Amino acid sequence: DADVTQTPRNRITKTGKRIMLECSQTKGHDRMYWYRQDPGLGLRLIYYSFDVKDINKGEISDGYSVSRQAQAKFSLSLESAIPNQTALYFCATSGGGSYYNEQFFGPGTRLTVL
Amino acid sequence: AQKVTQAQTEISVVEKEDVTLDCVYETRDTTYYLFWYKQPPSGELVFLIRRNSFDEQNEISGRYSWNFQKSTSSFNFTITASQVVDSAVYFCALDSGGGADGLTFGKGTHLIIQP
Repeated sequence: DADVTQTPRNRITKTGKRIMLECSQTKGHDRMYWYRQDPGLGLRLIYYSFDVKDINKGEISDGYSVSRQAQAKFSLSLESAIPNQTALYFCATSGGGSYYNEQFFGPGTRLTVL
Repeated sequence: AQKVTQAQTEISVVEKEDVTLDCVYETRDTTYYLFWYKQPPSGELVFLIRRNSFDEQNEISGRYSWNFQKSTSSFNFTITASQVVDSAVYFCALDSGGGADGLTFGKGTHLIIQP
């Protein structure tokens, strides 16, 4: 079974709809991240969390919110989706110790906002 | 501020050729980490290597090798005897925030290996 899972894998929605992307991990890692990937732009950080009580904005947090329901779960919400939020979204985790910043990525969620 | 530049947007070579993907980074920190990830057409991100700023030794893993040069702020990736399966988008990334704010990614290089 995959260590980092994302649901849904693909989603098409309409402008103005609220949508939630979910991420679960079985790696036991404390740190979790949400990135978005746009063609030709690489990955950019949306939000990150170091534990259940610690949520931080990343480079492009506007229009997004997150919830860390448990150590293993980190959800990304688009309160009112807009077409320029069409992208590939990745969740990632990282653990502690000397490999704290080695990030493990989920398979991605392809979101299309019409 | 930190930045990663992958100047090569797309590279196309014929199978069995050697190919080098360039990565130039910017950071003011003395301690930092550099990464390479592979994104095949299926879309997932595959971790290839992590290198810290205090270790300038070159790394070789099979047909893959990495050349880290602090003097030129570069961390280049070479594939020897390329194969069609190497076709993918390759990302270079930087962490100089102690993991505090995730990784800073370059825009990626799309590598096409033609049979």
